Amino acid sequence: EDQVTQSPEALRLQEGESSSLNCSYTVSGLRGLFWYRQDPGKGPEFLFTLYSAGEEKEKERLKATLTKKESFLHITAPKPEDSATYLCAVQDPGSARQLTFGSGTQLTVLP
Amino acid sequence: GAVVSQHPSRVICKSGTSVKIECRSLDFQATTMFWYRQFPKKSLMLMATSNEGSKATYEQGVEKDKFLINHASLTLSTLTVTSAHPEDSSFYICSARIKGLNTEAFFGQGTRLTVV
Repeated sequence: EDQVTQSPEALRLQEGESSSLNCSYTVSGLRGLFWYRQDPGKGPEFLFTLYSAGEEKEKERLKATLTKKESFLHITAPKPEDSATYLCAVQDPGSARQLTFGSGTQLTVLP
Repeated sequence: GAVVSQHPSRVICKSGTSVKIECRSLDFQATTMFWYRQFPKKSLMLMATSNEGSKATYEQGVEKDKFLINHASLTLSTLTVTSAHPEDSSFYICSARIKGLNTEAFFGQGTRLTVV
């Protein structure tokens, strides 16, 4: 059974203080690792998909990287509007390819 | 990007009544849609996979007679919570994947259900 573990559970940063969020996974065969952002009371918003170890993707202040066992979401010089819960998920190799989510990291960026 | 619209965003109902939640893919066709439930400060729990034109596949522990799913077209799936009870109060979210692509799923805005 696929397992996804995110750390830390919560992270408080000062504006401009860079950091990284971790997502470790155990899957029988990785079909894709996904990062989403979720604001309170909203559905998740897609950020990145990574498929193979060594792959990196960037979007504004965010950069996602992938190794064989974990993924990192690096946040460079964060702003208060980056405050949200960040979720990672892996794609099930079965026919429906549903996503298994981690518990998320709640990020708070203080002004 | 692909847009998924979920309606209503909030609903309050009396115990014993049924509530229907709609999930529409606005600018793409979705053969498969997923329904999740999310408890406060917890992650998304997959309830069921909805397939257009066939019966939904429910996850273990999810009562199919209580959570009725209909996927009548390539752009619409509905979740009906039947005979709702206070313990059914939760945040329900749907997602859809573009037909023919096994890539990222796009999520609706979620529905906050409160049963009183």
